[in-house]
This record gives sequence, C-alpha cells and structure tokens, in this order.
Amino acid sequence: GESVGLHLPTLSVQEGDNSIINCAYSNSASDYFIWYKQESGKGPQFIIDIRSNMDKRQGQRVTVLLNKTVKHLSLQIAATQPGDSAVYFCAENRGDYKLSFGAGTTVTVRA
Amino acid sequence: DVKVTQSSRYLVKRTGEKVFLECVQDMDHENMFWYRQDPGLGLRLIYFSYDVKMKEKGDIPEGYSVSREKKERFSLILESASTNQTSMYLCASSFGSEGFWDIQYFGAGTRLSVL
Repeated sequence: GESVGLHLPTLSVQEGDNSIINCAYSNSASDYFIWYKQESGKGPQFIIDIRSNMDKRQGQRVTVLLNKTVKHLSLQIAATQPGDSAVYFCAENRGDYKLSFGAGTTVTVRA
Repeated sequence: DVKVTQSSRYLVKRTGEKVFLECVQDMDHENMFWYRQDPGLGLRLIYFSYDVKMKEKGDIPEGYSVSREKKERFSLILESASTNQTSMYLCASSFGSEGFWDIQYFGAGTRLSVL
C-alpha cells in the first residue's frame, strides 16, 4: 500500500541553527498533511498542517513546504532550541478520517 | 485544549491475560483511534471508531477488539495477551468534520509489557 516515509531517522542540530526535516510520500492523491512532534514519554502533539492546494504554510517558528511534483514535504524549524529535541512525524490523510504516519525523525539539539 | 486521557501509563501483564486499555476524550469528538507504536515502524492503526457502537478495523486488528459504548470513551481489549503485543499504545480522537482538516489529538500513551 501507500506509505509515508522520512528521509533520515536522526538529525543533530546546533542550538540556534535552523532545522530541516524531510518526508517523502508515495500517494500522489494525498490532499492533506500534518506534522507531529513527540517528546519523550508523551503522545504526538500537532505542530502544523497543510493542504495540497498550498505550497507553504507558516506557524510560530515552523514552516511546512509541500512539493507535489516530487511528492516531498519538509518541516523547517527556525532558531532551534533545546525544547525542540523530539521525534517528528509526518502524516498524510488516507481518507475516511484516517492518517498514515512515517517512522519519524529524532532531532537532537546540541548546546 | 483538547484532552485525551489514557487510564494507565505503564502496564505489566502475563501471557494469556485479558487486558483492557481505556481512553477518554473531553471534546465531544466523533472519531477515536487506537494505534500501536514500535521502534522503526511508526504508528500503526489497530481500530477506528466513527460513532458510538461503530468500529472499523485498522491495519493490524488481529488479536485486538474494541468497545465504544459512550461517545467519550474508547476501549482497546487484548483478549489473550501475547508477548508480541508488548508495545506503546496510543489513543487519539478527532472532530470528524466533512473536510480534510481532521487533526488527531493524542493521549500520552500506555506502555504495555507482556511477560
């Protein structure tokens, strides 16, 4: 079946630098995508979402970019902070209110 | 804020036991979900409920059942626990709108160990 995947399982970032987390999806019919953050010992927390009729969406310190041509999604975190250390998941809407999740990227922020 | 509460953070059970995982949401959401999360595999959907007493199998329903007698409560049942069901279990809920913007809100998870 279709799946959502992340390019790299881990990412190490210097505090204050920008982080870019990538995600490739395979279902060209996907029309809605979400990024989640999961801190240790907690459930996934919604960060930002984007519809397929958009290329870019910005939140507080985060930007999601969608490239439908190559079926690629990215999450950019500006001025990464220690509190950004977590596992980040992308998810796509697979219909009937369900989501498909990637395996996640673990982001570690170096002081 | 949406709150999804899972009754236990940690559970240790023995092989063959019947196990109940409880989940309650306080936002009057239509949809509720149970996932399991294993390293390297992401979140996999076990069961989904879109209304009271309504349920739908997810991707890995074998060995599990669910119950939704009230809108706010969704229970996951392991009829006879096995060691391969050792995992993190996550409950989620969503509003159930007709549009695309159906964000799922998660509980903190229950880490189940089956010995």
